Amino acid sequence: KQEVTQIPAALSVPEGENLVLNCSFTDSAIYNLQWFRQDPGKGLTSLLLIQSSQREQTSGRLNASLDKSSGRSTLYIAASQPGDSATYLCAVPDNYGQNFVFGPGTRLSVLP
Amino acid sequence: DTAVSQTPKYLVTQMGNDKSIKCEQNLGHDTMYWYKQDSKKFLKIMFSYNNKELIINETVPNRFSPKSPDKAHLNLHINSLELGDSAVYFCASSRFTGRFHEQYFGPGTRLTVT
Repeated sequence: KQEVTQIPAALSVPEGENLVLNCSFTDSAIYNLQWFRQDPGKGLTSLLLIQSSQREQTSGRLNASLDKSSGRSTLYIAASQPGDSATYLCAVPDNYGQNFVFGPGTRLSVLP
Repeated sequence: DTAVSQTPKYLVTQMGNDKSIKCEQNLGHDTMYWYKQDSKKFLKIMFSYNNKELIINETVPNRFSPKSPDKAHLNLHINSLELGDSAVYFCASSRFTGRFHEQYFGPGTRLTVT
């Protein structure tokens, strides 16, 4: 059964810092991994999708890496801004590739 | 244009009632999903559905049933509501299955059962 964990559970940084969020999954036979952000009281916004054949994806100040063999992904945020404050979730397909299993999220606060 | 929309945004009802939440996507996607986010903010899949198959998470009570009048809609019906059903319910969609394609989420419906 696929399980996803995220470390840290919460993170508070001053504006301008670079930071790394971590995602771990137990079954490395995944098709892809997706990073989302969720603002309080809002839905999820897709940030990056990494296919299993890729090692990283970049979008603006965001860079996500994937190491299937070790069951890990990281989301790197460069030059953080207060607007980056949100909960960040990673998700992978389950063992059947049909449904997504989400991590518990990392709650990020970027202080001005 | 809203990609994935849900109605209502808030739903307050009493135990034992039957309610529905509607979901529509205008992305032309083939697969739609329902998720439940509980008070601890943990997001869990309930159903995934395309025009060929319905996949049900085995932990979902049979009081919950998805109904799809067409490819663009997947509504969630809940019978005999219980206090523990209080949560935020998210609809999502993707092209084909989730194996290769991004999921797009609706804004959520906050259900409160009193």
